[in-house]
Amino acid sequence: DQQVKQNSPSLSVQEGRISILNCDYTNSMFDYFLWYKKYPAEGPTFLISISSIKDKNEDGRFTVFLNKSAKHLSLHIVPSQPGDSAVYFCAASAVDSNYQLIWGAGTKLIIKP
Amino acid sequence: DTEVTQTPKHLVMGMTNKKSLKCEQHMGHRAMYWYKQKAKKPPELMFVYSYEKLSINESVPSRFSPECPNSSLLNLHLHALQPEDSALYLCASSPQGDYGYTFGSGTRLTVV
Repeated sequence: DQQVKQNSPSLSVQEGRISILNCDYTNSMFDYFLWYKKYPAEGPTFLISISSIKDKNEDGRFTVFLNKSAKHLSLHIVPSQPGDSAVYFCAASAVDSNYQLIWGAGTKLIIKP
Repeated sequence: DTEVTQTPKHLVMGMTNKKSLKCEQHMGHRAMYWYKQKAKKPPELMFVYSYEKLSINESVPSRFSPECPNSSLLNLHLHALQPEDSALYLCASSPQGDYGYTFGSGTRLTVV
């Protein structure tokens, strides 16, 4: 049973517009959520995170929103740039699992010129 | 079956031991990966197998030796490891190409 779900395998967005990547989770014990970006043939690199005590965290063009009641989080990228084309992973952890990360399947974001 | 299964879940080994980590998937995925993850850090890519052939080796020391006996199995043979090799070793698979990953739950390795 997948505890972290990214239901869109891919997403295509026009350069300059907003990219919205979604993630759903099932485990209510998750208290920390992270987004990673991954280029081909590389490991994921950390992008932005959010604690369950917040509902929004912003870092430059990247904003993560958390809706605990819906067990849903989203990553907004605005404006989208060509260098944002990558695979984006959502991951979650819980303090009682020693912060082991549970990973979503990833969403491939393609930014069109 | 929509899982990547890794065994064992925990492993403690001495620096002179030889052990193997195993990874199995029956989703028909043609790409399989080994990652090493230290606490609170993102996974570091170690090896990529595509269609059962090693396609990427990220300059991993030879004390780690991957093997892909068939399209469903991926092994990581360990020999003469160092304490700093202690980490969570994650296996993942994808249909082909760089999306649709399924990660295993990992093997927590401790080298003593």
